[in-house]
Amino acid sequence: EVQLLESGGGLVQPGGSLRLSCAASAFTFSICAMSWVRLAPGKGLEWVSGISGGGDKANYADSVKGRFTISRDNSKNTLYLEMNSLRVEDTAIYFCVKETRQYNFGTFDYWGQGILVTVSS
Amino acid sequence: ENVLTQSPGTLSLSPGERATLFCRASQSVSSSYLAWYQQKPGQAPRLLIYGASTRATGIPDRFSGSASGTDFTLTISRLEPEDFAVYYCQRYGSSPYSFGQGTRLEIK
Repeated sequence: EVQLLESGGGLVQPGGSLRLSCAASAFTFSICAMSWVRLAPGKGLEWVSGISGGGDKANYADSVKGRFTISRDNSKNTLYLEMNSLRVEDTAIYFCVKETRQYNFGTFDYWGQGILVTVSS
Repeated sequence: ENVLTQSPGTLSLSPGERATLFCRASQSVSSSYLAWYQQKPGQAPRLLIYGASTRATGIPDRFSGSASGTDFTLTISRLEPEDFAVYYCQRYGSSPYSFGQGTRLEIK
C-alpha cells in the first residue's frame, strides 16, 4: 500500500527556517510528480508547491514563491520542502501528496497524514 | 486565478437523506478538470471524484459528480454515518491547483 510519511515539522519563530521531509514507499517514486498541500487553521486546503518525477521542473504558489524550495532525492524515495523566511500565516498542517502523472497536473491520488508547522514568537 | 466557491458552507442532514454540494468556478475549467475530496478530522483528504464525474477507485456508487458549465455538483444519494465530513472541490490541469473553501457536512 502506498505510504507517505512526513517529518520535520514543529515550532519556529517568524523569519526562521524549517525543512520538511516525506518518505515514500510502495510505488515507483521517480516516475511520479509530487506536491505539498497545506491546511491552515480555520481555512481550506491550499496547494503549496509541486515537482516533476525527475525533479527537473518545480512550481510554487505565489504565497510561498521565493521563500520555499521543493526538491526530491529519488535514490532515497524522499521529497523535501525547504521553508525560509517563515511567517505566522504559514502555520498549517502540511501534506505530502502523490500525483498520478510524471509532470505536475494537480491530480492527487494519495496523501500523507500531514505534519504540523507552527510559526509563532 | 480561477477561484472556486463552494456552497453551502455547512450542510446539516440526517443519515439516509440525500446531500447536494455545489462548487462554482470563476472561470471555465478545462475539460472538466475538477475533483472532489473528503476529509475527516485528523485524517488526510481522500479523492472521491475526478474529471467532474468519475469515481476514484473504491468509492461507493452513492457518490456522484456532475458538471454544467462552471457549476459542479457532488451528490451523496443516501448518507451513511461515515459520510459526515468536510468536502472540497479542486481544479487541476494548470497551476495553481486551487481548492474551494470546503463544505462541512454535519449530522442533524
